[in-house]
Amino acid sequence: EVQLVESGGGLVEPGRSLRLSCTASGFTFGDYAMHWVRQVPGKGLEWVSTISWNSDIIGYADSVKGRFTVSRDNARNSLYLQMSSLRPDDTAKYYCAKDITPTPDAFDMWGQGTMVTVS
Amino acid sequence: QSALTQPRSVSGSPGQSVTISCTGTSSDVGGYNYVSWYQQHPGKAPKLIIYDVSKRPSGVPDRFSGSKSGNTASLTISGLQAEDEADYYCCSYAGAYTWVFGGGTNLAVL
Repeated sequence: EVQLVESGGGLVEPGRSLRLSCTASGFTFGDYAMHWVRQVPGKGLEWVSTISWNSDIIGYADSVKGRFTVSRDNARNSLYLQMSSLRPDDTAKYYCAKDITPTPDAFDMWGQGTMVTVS
Repeated sequence: QSALTQPRSVSGSPGQSVTISCTGTSSDVGGYNYVSWYQQHPGKAPKLIIYDVSKRPSGVPDRFSGSKSGNTASLTISGLQAEDEADYYCCSYAGAYTWVFGGGTNLAVL
């Protein structure tokens, strides 16, 4: 069974840092691009970051550029999001999502998300 | 990276068809064939239902179809069923390895 499990969320003060992790199972993690998408409860989806299968392609939303860093460890089947200089408007549920291809295209499998509260 | 424009809500009766529009610009929807659509039920993670404008992932019923004309993409759901009641989001590649979502559309099945 394909599964993505996010962890690392929690309550953090403005200006502090937090590292989210996403552990994958049930598929060959290193064959696919991966993404982070966030959602404020009751609001819409916001794309945050993307990383290709080999980390050659990386992209960030303007709202997080310079503050967030995405990375992956294919040997550990893991995706990470290092978040620094956190702001109250970063408060959201953060989902990791698997792409349908090695290079970014669309998000075909999602985790259940981890909540980040900046206050 | 401005959000794509979707209607806030649409509705239809069981068996009918509904179409949800997603309007962007030539820098996103109009410029690339990387438009995808997601269905999200309350409290659940989103689910991919259309990618590359009109392709359906395995397991998605053919009642769901996608298209694009110029800067506007559309999702059509035919033969509406009660379980189709959910929020729907479009998403487009916007160049320079960035993506943008629409604001979401709530579909009510009356």
